[in-house]
Amino acid sequence: NAGVTQTPKFRVLKTGQSMTLLCAQDMNHEYMYWYRQDPGMGLRLIHYSVGEGTTAKGEVPDGYNVSRLKKQNFLLGLESAAPSQTSVYFCASSEDGGNTEAFFGQGTRLTVV
Amino acid sequence: GQSLEQPSEVTAVEGAIVQINCTYQTSGFYGLSWYQQHDGGAPTFLSYNALDGLEETGRFSSFLSRSDSYGYLLLQELQMKDSASYFCAGPGGAGSYQLTFGKGTKLSVIP
Repeated sequence: NAGVTQTPKFRVLKTGQSMTLLCAQDMNHEYMYWYRQDPGMGLRLIHYSVGEGTTAKGEVPDGYNVSRLKKQNFLLGLESAAPSQTSVYFCASSEDGGNTEAFFGQGTRLTVV
Repeated sequence: GQSLEQPSEVTAVEGAIVQINCTYQTSGFYGLSWYQQHDGGAPTFLSYNALDGLEETGRFSSFLSRSDSYGYLLLQELQMKDSASYFCAGPGGAGSYQLTFGKGTKLSVIP
């Protein structure tokens, strides 16, 4: 049972480039989340999804887009990367929103130069 | 919305007991969770309190008081491997869809 898998694990982008981070879960969870983690800032919610075909904005959505075309996948896109988006990105999924255990991927370390 | 406040750092001695507090402000409340994260790793779930009182899981216990908008994580018989960051988290927003985290408490266990 793989749980939550994020790809890639590391990436370096140049300012203005675009990329997509993939999150896949095999637990049939409805809820999926994308967070960014910066030193001293904890985990900040970027976007989330409450089911296939749905997405919603979190605390820090600007500069990011998401899609949930299939229940098991949640994609995070950066259309034009900026140095301020240098961070560690975590994907998570849960069965019942914030009321149950959230399972996290191993993270993607993104550097924008 | 929801905000959760917790101390940024705590230091404790191996074998001792430490308590990490979390206070929250939210327009709706559905429960309080705790997560552990070691340096370079992903957060992992420790506990969830939906109701007032103490929940115990081995050396770790979590407490919630909804009337005080307050909870804590209690770690007993501290071990060096407990050195990590600990986050309180709660659902928020309309319904319980969002999962919002505090900024985390870095626990250092010293010999």
